[in-house]
Amino acid sequence: GQQLNQSPQSMFIQEGEDVSMNCTSSSIFNTWLWYKQEPGEGPVLLIALYKAGELTSNGRLTAQFGITRKDSFLNISASIPSDVGIYFCAPRVNTDKLIFGTGTRLQVFP
Amino acid sequence: EAEVAQSPRYKITEKSQAVAFWCDPISGHATLYWYRQILGQGPELLVQFQDESVVDDSQLPKDRFSAERLKGVDSTLKIQPAELGDSAMYLCASSLRGIETQYFGPGTRLLVL
Repeated sequence: GQQLNQSPQSMFIQEGEDVSMNCTSSSIFNTWLWYKQEPGEGPVLLIALYKAGELTSNGRLTAQFGITRKDSFLNISASIPSDVGIYFCAPRVNTDKLIFGTGTRLQVFP
Repeated sequence: EAEVAQSPRYKITEKSQAVAFWCDPISGHATLYWYRQILGQGPELLVQFQDESVVDDSQLPKDRFSAERLKGVDSTLKIQPAELGDSAMYLCASSLRGIETQYFGPGTRLLVL
C-alpha cells in the first residue's frame, strides 16, 4: 500500500511564530488535502490542492502541492492559540478514497 | 450549517459485548464513509457506501464488524463481539458524491474494558 510520512510528529511553539509541516510519499497523487482535528472532534478540511506545483492560501494558512506530486507542505503564519490541534495530510488515492498521514500535533503557548 | 451527526459520542463496553454506532450524513450526500482512528494515528477507512450499496469494505474486519445503510440515508456500524483492540474513535463522513469534499462527524469514542 501507499507509504505516507508526515513530519514533524509534534511541535511546541510560541504564539506569533510561523509553523511548517510536510508530508512525503513514495506514491504519486492527484489531490492533496489538509485537515485539522481538535480534541474530541472530527477532522475539518482546511485546504485542497488539485494540481502539481499549486500554491493555495486560506487566511494564515498556505499549502503547496509538490511538483513531483509525491509531497505537500502546510505553513501557518503568525500562530495563535486556536491553531492548537492535530494537522493531517490526506492525499486522494483514486477518485474518492483518502489516506491520512499520522498527523502533526501543534501546541501553541501564549 | 448542515453537519454529520453521530451517536453516541462516547461508549464504554466490556469485551465480548455488542456495540452499535449511528451516523446521519448531510442531507443529499450520496457517499458515506466509516473510519476508525486509533489514538495517535490518522483515520483509516473501514467501509464506504454509495447510496445503500457498499463500494469498499476491504478493510472491514468482517468476522466481527458489520455496516448497513438500508435506505441510503443514515447508517449503522456494529461490532460483535467487541475486543480490547477495538478501543478507538469511530468517525463517519459524507460527501455529495465520492470525489467531493468529505465532511466528518464528531465521532464516537469507544472504550472496551
